[in-house]
Amino acid sequence: LAKTTQPISMDSYEGQEVNITCSHNNIATNDYITWYQQFPSQGPRFIIQGYKTKVTNEVASLFIPADRKSSTLSLPRVSLSDTAVYYCLVGDPMNTGFQKLVFGTGTRLLVSP
Amino acid sequence: EPEVTQTPSHQVTQMGQEVILRCVPISNHLYFYWYRQILGQKVEFLVSFYNNEISEKSEIFDDQFSVERPDGSNFTLKIRSTKLEDSAMYFCASSRVQSENEKLFFGSGTQLSVL
Repeated sequence: LAKTTQPISMDSYEGQEVNITCSHNNIATNDYITWYQQFPSQGPRFIIQGYKTKVTNEVASLFIPADRKSSTLSLPRVSLSDTAVYYCLVGDPMNTGFQKLVFGTGTRLLVSP
Repeated sequence: EPEVTQTPSHQVTQMGQEVILRCVPISNHLYFYWYRQILGQKVEFLVSFYNNEISEKSEIFDDQFSVERPDGSNFTLKIRSTKLEDSAMYFCASSRVQSENEKLFFGSGTQLSVL
């Protein structure tokens, strides 16, 4: 699985857009990029997944440049409830053995009033 | 949205005792998993389960651990003789299929404290 690097923590204020960038220089051709969110004392929750260019859903957008060596999770107009740890995961879902996810330390986002 | 439910939410046990953590995966899901997270550390894969057998396990999942799907709805993790270092939050997860875009649904976890 490709190693990922993301900031340990980020701070923001309510209503702002937050962009969390993840580096994955060794991403393989078949690898997808997946982001999970984890609130304190909760299990991780899938946010978004993409392979290239841009993916958008009701929660976030994921921007992936052409070289795919990084990706940016964009959270529009965050609220206090977006305070959580965000994990970037990279791997080939077909080769990781039944979704054996490898979590890093993630990015701890703190949203203040 | 459908949920994975886990019971109990907290479990306190004495070292050397057996514990069983219970999970009810989402009803039409076929793949089941256990992960754990020691306080302040990363979420770690323990085991995956499909078609009534273990499909993959990590080095953490030693002979003290076992999983079972005793009926059509429950999925359990048993620790035969708990150790202090087994104290962690244990998460059950499930997925419908294994495909390129499939996501895992995690439960809220069972906080296990071994004294």
